[in-house]
Amino acid sequence: DVVMTQSPLSLPVTPGEPASISCRSSESLLHSNGYNYLDWYLQKPGQSPQLLISLGSNRASGVPDRFSGSGSGTDFTLKISRVEAEDVGLYYCMQGLKNPVTFGGGTKVEI
Amino acid sequence: QVQLQESGPGLAKPSETLSLTCTVSGGLMSNSYWAWIRQPAGKALEFVGRIHSTGSINYNPSLKSRLTVSLDTSKNQFSLNLKSVTAADTAVYYCARQRAQIAARPDCFDPWGQGILVTVSS
Repeated sequence: DVVMTQSPLSLPVTPGEPASISCRSSESLLHSNGYNYLDWYLQKPGQSPQLLISLGSNRASGVPDRFSGSGSGTDFTLKISRVEAEDVGLYYCMQGLKNPVTFGGGTKVEI
Repeated sequence: QVQLQESGPGLAKPSETLSLTCTVSGGLMSNSYWAWIRQPAGKALEFVGRIHSTGSINYNPSLKSRLTVSLDTSKNQFSLNLKSVTAADTAVYYCARQRAQIAARPDCFDPWGQGILVTVSS
């Protein structure tokens, strides 16, 4: 299976300040079609995960533009330009290139 | 707007079969992938399996020998059956649509159901 490694495990943040989460995969997630099959999800406390970013850098509908995804191959980053209180929760990266789909262990973002 | 809702028993006995159903509302099930993902308490998410509206299926190899995922488009539902369960199968089970944005190749999960806690215990 493709192993997804996130860092840090825990990220204290300050409202209004930027934040960044790293995700590294054990194999390249770049498909021959030119897209990276890497997604980012946020699981707010007591809720199911919600899609933030798909295919490496495509912001999902309704996701604020303070969230951005970048990277290619095996190294990816989720950035929050200015953290808001509502952004707290568990962030997961996920690879969808190879079966089985695998998730990172999660990064807990807290104020 | 597509919405998903899991249903089924919240408790299963060891060695028995865990059966869950996901009901899809607000859209058709055609031309889409439908998936199950689970999350043991305090642990990360684990892909269980998925089925396409055409009947094509992919299972997590770690569960393949015990798992059946099926689809009933007439009821707008898909189901999971996991046999011979143990305490290790205790988790919140989510159903989700897996989108295929590029050339019908599955990619992200969106949306997700609210999840259902299944406990395996005698």
